[in-house]
Parts: sequence; C-alpha cells; structure tokens
Amino acid sequence: SQQGEEDPQALSIQEGENATMNCSYKTSINNLQWYRQNSGRGLVHLILIRSNEREKHSGRLRVTLDTSKKSSSLLITASRAADTASYFCATALYSSASKIIFGSGTRLSIRP
Amino acid sequence: ETGVTQTPRHLVMGMTNKKSLKCEQHLGHNAMYWYKQSAKKPLELMFVYSLEERVENNSVPSRFSPECPNSSHLFLHLHTLQPEDSALYLCASSSQGAKGANVLTFGAGSRLTVL
Repeated sequence: SQQGEEDPQALSIQEGENATMNCSYKTSINNLQWYRQNSGRGLVHLILIRSNEREKHSGRLRVTLDTSKKSSSLLITASRAADTASYFCATALYSSASKIIFGSGTRLSIRP
Repeated sequence: ETGVTQTPRHLVMGMTNKKSLKCEQHLGHNAMYWYKQSAKKPLELMFVYSLEERVENNSVPSRFSPECPNSSHLFLHLHTLQPEDSALYLCASSSQGAKGANVLTFGAGSRLTVL
C-alpha cells in the first residue's frame, strides 16, 4: 500500500509567492525526505528531516515534521520560475532503512 | 551528471524480446535501487541491493529480474514484457551507514516502451 500521499496533487502560483506542499504517511519512519523531479528526469534530493526533528531549513526550503500526525510539509519561499517541477516526499521506514517509499507527488507550476 | 549512469536512455522492445537495463554508480555507494515510474502513479520500489539486505517487492512480476554483480553495477533483465510495463525505470544509489542517513542519488532514467 502507498506510504506517502502528497497534497495538493497540483499547485499553480505566481512567481514570488510561497508554495506549501503537504505529505502524510502511515507507518513509523526513520526519516522523511523531499525530492524534486523535472519532467521525465531523475529525482534530486532536496532535504532530509529525521524522526526526532521538528523543523529544518535549507536556503528557501523549510520542512516540518509532525510524527504524532504522521505528516510533513515543504515550504518554498519566494518562488521562481525554475522551481516548476514535481515534488515528492519519501519515507525511510523504521523497520528497514533500505525501503525508501515515495508518495504520489505534487506538481508545482510557477507562473511568471 | 549525478554520478549514477543509466543505459540505454530509451528502449523500445517487443513483448517477446529479452533486453537489459544497466546502471552504474561512481560515488562509492554501497546500496543500489530500481524504481518504476508510470504515468500518474507513485514511484514503485522494485528491488534494493545493500550490504545489509536484499529487498524485493513481491508485487513485481518475475519477468523483471535484477542482478547486482558488485556494489557499482546493477542490471534489470527484461523478458516477455507486457505493454503495461512501459514506464520510466529509475536507478538510484545510496551510502547506507548509520540508520536514518539513507539519501538517494538517482540516474536520469531509462524510458521503456513495450509494443
């Protein structure tokens, strides 16, 4: 069964605005990661947050994790046209660090 | 170039063909993965090879056969595929060490079309 689900499935915003994407998961995790994918290409790792962390920042990215609600959010501030891509959350299961399970993704479009 | 190289980038094959996808990493990682990405579906973990374990998704049909001769090379052997197997096949590698530090580096993918 699917471990992660992103919300919304698609998001279109004006350049300069902030974009927020949410992820929910089902089982206990070791860490949660966010990846980005440009159309038809491989995924690129953005940021990792461990299960004992609540918030993490990297440049214009801010990630939060609420293990009690089994949810995470990714905030991209001051969006740029180049941020247009699909964004995926991925969970490394507590039971098996090798199993990294991806959600269905959020397709983000930045309007110039 | 991410350090994970997949070949071929595009493959068209008939249902009776036998072909292989190849993945090579030059990052010194000790774990390698195959994922399948179909249109409008989440990435599906197919196989993992690591020092600690080999993981196999039981829902992957036997017409897909992985091979990992060493920590730098990973193959996906394909035979008697179906049209619904058409997808982007992504290889990834990671350095598995302390628990919780498993970050994937992906290749650009092999786009497979089964006629």
